[in-house]
Amino acid sequence: GQNIDQPTEMTATEGAIVQINCTYQTSGFNGLFWYQQHAGEAPTFLSYNVLDGLEEKGRFSSFLSRSKGYSYLLLKELQMKDSASYLCAGRSEGNTPLVFGKGTRLSVIA
Amino acid sequence: DAGVTQSPTHLIKTRGQQVTLRCSPISGHKSVSWYQQVLGQGPQFIFQYYEKEERGRGNFPDRFSARQFPNYSSELNVNALLLGDSALYLCASSLDSGVAYEQYFGPGTRLTVT
Repeated sequence: GQNIDQPTEMTATEGAIVQINCTYQTSGFNGLFWYQQHAGEAPTFLSYNVLDGLEEKGRFSSFLSRSKGYSYLLLKELQMKDSASYLCAGRSEGNTPLVFGKGTRLSVIA
Repeated sequence: DAGVTQSPTHLIKTRGQQVTLRCSPISGHKSVSWYQQVLGQGPQFIFQYYEKEERGRGNFPDRFSARQFPNYSSELNVNALLLGDSALYLCASSLDSGVAYEQYFGPGTRLTVT
């Protein structure tokens, strides 16, 4: 099975950098995903890591350490529109279904 | 290109009733997964279908069932509705099965059971 843990809430200031951590425990491993979900909307895909290291995509970056069962999502130059829930999800093997954490609700303040 | 579509958008049912939710995947995607998301929680996996065959089932009672059609669209059925079934039901499609393809979510169906 899998267990995904992430903080429940975070607050950061507009223009700043925020790091959202995620730890996972899995019987196998085939990818760690990050999704953004605005209130009342569907999750949208942000990033995918399967190898150790940092994946950068514009203002968003995601990091993975398989040996530590650890990932983080880094958001730079925060904007008010970045206020949303950020979901960490793991996949154990193949195309098995994603197991989601409860999400981290990020509030960006002026 | 059209994304994943779901219908209806919102639905209100009473306890004991039955409901059918529908999903059309992105063109070319053969795998469809269903998730239930209760307010304040992450999505919980219900079913995965690939090429009309069930590939996985989450920890949900037999009141939940699904199927996938030859055009890869899918239906989720829930019988004998309970108050606790009130949630956002998400459908996600992906290209294939067997490798870690990213999943694209539809807008969801908000089900309220009274």
